[in-house]
Amino acid sequence: DAKTTQPPSMDCAEGRAANLPCNHSTISGNEYVYWYRQIHSQGPQYIIHGLKNNETNEMASLIITEDRKSSTLILPHATLRDTAVYYCIALSQGGSEKLVFGKGTKLTVNP
Amino acid sequence: EPEVTQTPSHQVTQMGQEVILRCVPISNHLYFYWYRQILGQKVEFLVSFYNNEISEKSEIFDDQFSVERPDGSNFTLKIRSTKLEDSAMYFCASSKRSSLGPGWPYNQPQHFGDGTRLSIL
Repeated sequence: DAKTTQPPSMDCAEGRAANLPCNHSTISGNEYVYWYRQIHSQGPQYIIHGLKNNETNEMASLIITEDRKSSTLILPHATLRDTAVYYCIALSQGGSEKLVFGKGTKLTVNP
Repeated sequence: EPEVTQTPSHQVTQMGQEVILRCVPISNHLYFYWYRQILGQKVEFLVSFYNNEISEKSEIFDDQFSVERPDGSNFTLKIRSTKLEDSAMYFCASSKRSSLGPGWPYNQPQHFGDGTRLSIL
């Protein structure tokens, strides 16, 4: 599975949009981009995933560039409860089922 | 919303003792996983399980580890003779079969429980 690169930390003001970038320049055509987050020591929480089209659900939006080498997770109106470590993970079809977690981005939402 | 539940939330065990961590996956899910996270480190994959068989395991998952689905609802991780370095948070996860058909679990997200903190003394 492709390696992903994320900034180690980001800050965001409460109520503003949080845009979390992820680079996956070696991603292959059958690899999905998954986003999870981990609040303190809780279990990782699934947020969203996509292959090549932009995706939106009740939690967030996922914007994937046309060349699929990078993506951005958007939390439209960040709240203090969104403070967490966010993980971007590439996962292929036809390959391993395991999620490979990196260090992620520590997002701090400030009041 | 259905969720993965894990018990106990905290387990303290003497080194060398056996420990069993329990998980109840989401009811219509067919794929089950264990991950662990040593304090301050990354979440690491241990094992995946489908159709009563291990489908993949990591180097961490050695002969001291085993998994079992003893009935229709529970999924367990057993560590036979615990070591100090087994101290970690252990997370169970489950996912459902893709609607695309058999053999495609990876485009269905894994949902995690809140973990069991295992402390080895």
